[in-house]
Amino acid sequence: GDSVTQMEGPVTLSEEAFLTINCTYTATGYPSLFWYVQYPGEGLQLLLKATKADDKGSNKGFEATYRKETTSFHLEKGSVQVSDSAVYFCALSVSGNTPLVFGKGTRLSVIA
Amino acid sequence: GAVVSQHPSRVICKSGTSVKIECRSLDFQATTMFWYRQFPKQSLMLMATSNEGSKATYEQGVEKDKFLINHASLTLSTLTVTSAHPEDSSFYICSARDRSFSTEAFFGQGTRLTVV
Repeated sequence: GDSVTQMEGPVTLSEEAFLTINCTYTATGYPSLFWYVQYPGEGLQLLLKATKADDKGSNKGFEATYRKETTSFHLEKGSVQVSDSAVYFCALSVSGNTPLVFGKGTRLSVIA
Repeated sequence: GAVVSQHPSRVICKSGTSVKIECRSLDFQATTMFWYRQFPKQSLMLMATSNEGSKATYEQGVEKDKFLINHASLTLSTLTVTSAHPEDSSFYICSARDRSFSTEAFFGQGTRLTVV
């Protein structure tokens, strides 16, 4: 079945450090890929997405490129801030009316 | 982006009572909504898929008589936790999808349920 594997956390970084959170997927067909962010006590917010191979999603300084050859969608940010501390979920979607398939989430803590 | 409103955000109830959680799509029609449960520091666990005008589809291991789901309109789905027990305490999140927004899903703010 479809699945998403993302790096285990927690990840602790100093402010202005470079961030990479790895995500790989297994899916039939051609999925759309997403990164969601969850701040403490809140629901999930879409951070960025990519719907086809080689697309790059970007938002708030975060980027991820849909790599079909490596079935990956790694999240990167060049300089993290304390306000980026949250849990990040990688997810995929194969069709419009089915639930997203989530990775286990990666908790990021950024310290000043 | 589209907005999904979930209410209440927090609720405390006594054991044995029932609690209803509402999930509304505010600016789009959601033919399908999803209910998740999230344990502390864990990922989302899909509980059920709710389709407007029909019975919900529950995931394996989820008690349908305990977690009643109703999707009476294209903008509202409700989850009722019946005869709640302390082990039902958790964070519940709803999600909705609209075909006009491609394949992304929109999430409610979540409901923190505490059963005492």
